[in-house]
Amino acid sequence: EVQLVESGGGLVKSGGSLRLSCAASGFNFGGFSMNWVRQAPGKGLEWVSSISSGSDYKYYADSVKGRFTISRDNGKNTLILQVNSLRAEDTAVYYCARVVATTRVFDYWGQGTQVTVSS
Amino acid sequence: DIQMIQSPSSLSASVGDRVTITCRSSQSISLWLNWYQQKPGKAPKVLIYSTSNLQDGVPSRFSGSGSGTNFTLTISSLQPEDCATYYCHQSYTTPRYTFGQGTKVEI
Repeated sequence: EVQLVESGGGLVKSGGSLRLSCAASGFNFGGFSMNWVRQAPGKGLEWVSSISSGSDYKYYADSVKGRFTISRDNGKNTLILQVNSLRAEDTAVYYCARVVATTRVFDYWGQGTQVTVSS
Repeated sequence: DIQMIQSPSSLSASVGDRVTITCRSSQSISLWLNWYQQKPGKAPKVLIYSTSNLQDGVPSRFSGSGSGTNFTLTISSLQPEDCATYYCHQSYTTPRYTFGQGTKVEI
């Protein structure tokens, strides 16, 4: 069974940092590109970042470029999002999601981890 | 960046009704359009991929159509468990993506 389990969220002050993790199991993690998607309270989904299967390519939404860093450890089946210089508008539930290369659909999602930035 | 606009933002319908949600993109995305269902407090779940392909396990009352810039998600006979927010998602510009703003469906 495919599982994605996020952790690392919490309450942090503006300007602070967090390290979000997504533990993958039940599939060949190293064979899939992965993504982070966030959802602010009462708002829609916003794509944040993607990373290729071998970490060759990393992409970011303009809203987080220069502050967030995506990485992965295929030996540990783990996806990471290092979030720095946090702002109030970064408050959201952060989901990791697997993307299928052929259909480009996010077919599995984690349950999400809450990040709350206080001023 | 490609913008995705869904309409309506919300709708109320009765059990058994046919429900249609529209998604328009700011430029052509061919058939690279997916639909997700999200219930409160839960992660999104894929319903339709590549415009019209039903994800395994999704009831056949869900269907998708369209191409280019205009896409539709249809629920042929609304059920109580279909109360949720629905999002379209363009993957034409992979590995960068855009979601629509969502459509909330109520009974």
